[in-house]
Amino acid sequence: AQSVTQLGSHVSVSEGALVLLRCNYSSSVPPYLFWYVQYPNQGLQLLLKYTSAATLVKGINGFEAEFKKSETSFHLTKPSAHMSDAAEYFCAVRTGGGSEKLVFGKGTKLTVNP
Amino acid sequence: GAGVSQSPRYKVTKRGQDVTLRCDPISSHATLYWYQQALGQGPEFLTYFNYEAQPDKSGLPSDRFSAERPEGSISTLTIQRTEQRDSAMYRCASSPRTGSGKLFFGSGTQLSVL
Repeated sequence: AQSVTQLGSHVSVSEGALVLLRCNYSSSVPPYLFWYVQYPNQGLQLLLKYTSAATLVKGINGFEAEFKKSETSFHLTKPSAHMSDAAEYFCAVRTGGGSEKLVFGKGTKLTVNP
Repeated sequence: GAGVSQSPRYKVTKRGQDVTLRCDPISSHATLYWYQQALGQGPEFLTYFNYEAQPDKSGLPSDRFSAERPEGSISTLTIQRTEQRDSAMYRCASSPRTGSGKLFFGSGTQLSVL
């Protein structure tokens, strides 16, 4: 069965600093991996997804994530945090074979300090 | 519609009552999903529809939970004989087609069972 572990339920960074949100996955088959973001009082929004085309995936708002099979990781990064990046971030995994089920991690709440 | 709309936004009910939650997906979207999110957790898959077909309802916790999408557009999630453990945010999402992993989420219905 697939699973996702997000290390750190809360991450705090200063404006302009590097953002690093960690995600490790467990999957018995090559996975599809996703990062979603949730701003306060809004629905989840897709940031980026990995579907085996390239290991470095670029998403919206300057975020990117690198798929590392040897480490079973899919960490999310952004070189310079902005106040508007404050939100909750969810990593998710889905296997192929026709499954539509996304398995989400517990989420990481990002705080950006001025 | 412009986005995924869910109603009501909040629902408070007494234990043992039935509740019905509504989801109005983006009008062109074939696929519709229901997720349950407990406090401090990531969303957990309940079921999904492809048009009016319901290929996977493996995530429904018990036979008290059911979902419909009779005309392939609006969907309802019904919980019969509610229990306190049913208290959660219920999220609906839609997608243009199966297999993309790009889900558009609504703002959710917060259900509280007293």
